[in-house]
Amino acid sequence: AQSVAQPEDQVNVAEGNPLTVKCTYSVSGNPYLFWYVQYPNRGLQFLLKYITGDNLVKGSYGFEAEFNKSQTSFHLKKPSALVSDSALYFCAVRDYTGTASKLTFGTGTRLQVTL
Amino acid sequence: NAGVMQNPRHLVRRRGQEARLRCSPMKGHSHVYWYRQLPEEGLKFMVYLQKENIIDESGMPKERFSAEFPKEGPSILRIQQVVRGDSAAYFCASSNGLAAYEQYFGPGTRLTVT
Repeated sequence: AQSVAQPEDQVNVAEGNPLTVKCTYSVSGNPYLFWYVQYPNRGLQFLLKYITGDNLVKGSYGFEAEFNKSQTSFHLKKPSALVSDSALYFCAVRDYTGTASKLTFGTGTRLQVTL
Repeated sequence: NAGVMQNPRHLVRRRGQEARLRCSPMKGHSHVYWYRQLPEEGLKFMVYLQKENIIDESGMPKERFSAEFPKEGPSILRIQQVVRGDSAAYFCASSNGLAAYEQYFGPGTRLTVT
């Protein structure tokens, strides 16, 4: 069975500082990994994904994520946080089975960026 | 190209009533997924459908919940005899069927059972 862990319920960072939101995963085969962001009372917006290739993935709004197979991690990063980045962030995994199966989500990390 | 559409956005039902949630996938997508989000929790998978077929319903409660995706029209998530514990946000997502492809989410339907 596939699973995702987001160890931090909340991350606080000052605007302009770098941010990291942590994610570790567990799958039986090769993972497909995704990050989504959710603003209040809204649906999820896709940020980026890792499928194969370069371990550093760049996505929307200046976000990037680093895939580390040995540590089974896929941490989300941004060099300089903005107040507008404050939202709920979800990591998700899909076990590669060749079919478009379900995503398994972490419990989410609330990012709070302050001035 | 319109995104994933869900309606209604908000639905209030009394205990014992039926709730019907609708989802129209993105144009060109034939794979639909339903997820439920309880307050302050992550998304939990419920069911995965293709046109006229249920592919994976491992996350669906055994009773009162059903889903369909007919040949024509939107996907429907139906909850019979709702209880207060059904109050949640229900999200629909769609994809083009490739495993490497991300799912695109609708705005959700917030169900409140009074």
